[in-house]
Amino acid sequence: GAVVSQHPSWVICKSGTSVKIECRSLDFQATTMFWYRQFPKQSLMLMATSNEGSKATYEQGVEKDKFLINHASLTLSTLTVTSAHPEDSSFYICSAREGGETYEQYFGPGTRLTVT
Amino acid sequence: GQNIDQPTEMTATEGAIVQINCTYQTSGFNGLFWYQQHAGEAPTFLSYNVLDGLEEKGRFSSFLSRSKGYSYLLLKELQMKDSASYLCAVLDSNYQLIWGAGTKLIIKP
Repeated sequence: GAVVSQHPSWVICKSGTSVKIECRSLDFQATTMFWYRQFPKQSLMLMATSNEGSKATYEQGVEKDKFLINHASLTLSTLTVTSAHPEDSSFYICSAREGGETYEQYFGPGTRLTVT
Repeated sequence: GQNIDQPTEMTATEGAIVQINCTYQTSGFNGLFWYQQHAGEAPTFLSYNVLDGLEEKGRFSSFLSRSKGYSYLLLKELQMKDSASYLCAVLDSNYQLIWGAGTKLIIKP
């Protein structure tokens, strides 16, 4: 089956620093990748959708200058949390879709970010 | 607006059967997904329904009625490892996934 990896699986950083999270589709080409965040006991919240080679589309209320998304290739997307604050602490999950007639999203294992 | 409703929490007994319902009101419909999510982990795909009817896959089955805006996930022969959250998501007219808040299923021995 389709496998999506995420790195790192967890990270602790200090306020004001930036953190980069990588999302890779290992055995398929992902025309579209999605970034979600999830707070404890809550559902997934879509942050942005990115298509390879184009700018990401951010959901309402998500600051694009704070959450930088780059989808440079068909197998890699990155999310950079800039100038992190404690309220950015969350579980960040990426997913990838092959495209065409396939709409299933394959999820990465998630990254737990803690900002101190 | 777009809305997906599912119960917040359900409890069932090991070995029994449980049905998790999902109702939706979305702008267009291009299919409905069920995902399983264990605490602290990412969701994993369970099923996809785009036509009315029941799809069976081992212990899990998923049903869809497009006219009623309704789906359910049926879990049989419950095992302790089935304790998880079950997420219902609808693919709308823009092929965007709209997520429900999830149903936390607690299995008791």
